[in-house]
Amino acid sequence: EPEVTQTPSHQVTQMGQEVILRCVPISNHLYFYWYRQILGQKVEFLVSFYNNEISEKSEIFDDQFSVERPDGSNFTLKIRSTKLEDSAMYFCASRTDVAGNTIYFGEGSWLTVV
Amino acid sequence: SQQGEEDPQALSIQEGENATMNCSYKTSINNLQWYRQNSGRGLVHLILIRSNEREKHSGRLRVTLDTSKKSSSLLITASRAADTASYFCATDVRYSTLTFGKGTMLLVSP
Repeated sequence: EPEVTQTPSHQVTQMGQEVILRCVPISNHLYFYWYRQILGQKVEFLVSFYNNEISEKSEIFDDQFSVERPDGSNFTLKIRSTKLEDSAMYFCASRTDVAGNTIYFGEGSWLTVV
Repeated sequence: SQQGEEDPQALSIQEGENATMNCSYKTSINNLQWYRQNSGRGLVHLILIRSNEREKHSGRLRVTLDTSKKSSSLLITASRAADTASYFCATDVRYSTLTFGKGTMLLVSP
């Protein structure tokens, strides 16, 4: 079964450093998402992306965050200058172009900011 | 309460027993999706139920949706130790993003 793949599975970075998290969504999917889950807390929406632009973003997704689809397969989340509170599991997700269909999540990337 | 709140927060049962988890939400939805998360792992999609559906089955899973009460339940029958995980409901309000609840931690003991 097709799946969303994410790299790296775990990254430790120093505060203030830039981080890029990578995702390969399911190949025929057109909507892409990033969510995050701080340890012990809810899964929170960050941003959605469709037709090469951001379609929706949450208050969490401030100027420190950016997303990009650099080619036909990858979808990246960049955090420009990491803070301690950015430590979380970051999930990439995707779905087809059919509204209301299942959103499939990847295994996540653990980000630890020290 | 917030959109997509599960209860109980934690549930401990023996193998073979049934597990029921509930989810309540506040606003009208287009669909509701249930996910499972093993400790520190990804979100695995279990079932999607649309607002015009009342019940769906998938293997040992049964999901109900009561839009008048704004609630959903997930029933796992004949539970196994491998079902031990956190279970989340997520509501889809605008056919765009999902709003997750805090989840129910299920522990199934052999």
